[in-house]
Amino acid sequence: SQQGEEDPQALSIQEGENATMNCSYKTSINNLQWYRQNSGRGLVHLILIRSNEREKHSGRLRVTLDTSKKSSSLLITASRAADTASYFCAVVTGANSKLTFGKGITLSVRP
Amino acid sequence: NAGVMQNPRHLVRRRGQEARLRCSPMKGHSHVYWYRQLPEEGLKFMVYLQKENIIDESGMPKERFSAEFPKEGPSILRIQQVVRGDSAAYFCASSPVTSGAHEQYFGPGTRLTVT
Repeated sequence: SQQGEEDPQALSIQEGENATMNCSYKTSINNLQWYRQNSGRGLVHLILIRSNEREKHSGRLRVTLDTSKKSSSLLITASRAADTASYFCAVVTGANSKLTFGKGITLSVRP
Repeated sequence: NAGVMQNPRHLVRRRGQEARLRCSPMKGHSHVYWYRQLPEEGLKFMVYLQKENIIDESGMPKERFSAEFPKEGPSILRIQQVVRGDSAAYFCASSPVTSGAHEQYFGPGTRLTVT
């Protein structure tokens, strides 16, 4: 199976709630990145966390990385309807630094 | 600074025709990656190019698919004799250096439909 498997596959929450999305991977990584994709659009980079980092923040986003468990989580606090999108984690493993994506999580934020 | 540009945004081809997808990276970026996204799936890596060089094509089918990134002009992903299974969204991304420590900047994608 593939790297970067996200969990859950779909998440529906009320505006103002927090959204937590998880990602697991299988091999050693250089870094792990989270991207957002709005329907029918390209991907937008959200945050990058290196293998020697444990936590990073960017605005309402908080990412954690546990290399011993080979997992990461993305927390979006105080969600907004505009956060509705698909979220993908992607890992970078080799020298060529290609991204290996999971299948994504569909987040719906109800106004 | 314009973002990554791809054209066309939508492309319809009949089975057996050729599809040419273009990608202009961000200014100053010399690394280009191509990915394919099937419906309800994540992106799958196809090929990584630097100017005039293919660095990693491990994700690209051996037949009918080719990619180039010439010294001048956009990167081209070429699909010969398209089949229905080639219908997908094709995204390119660019980065200023090998992306190991950097994000990749994605274009809006080309949606290929094979009829």
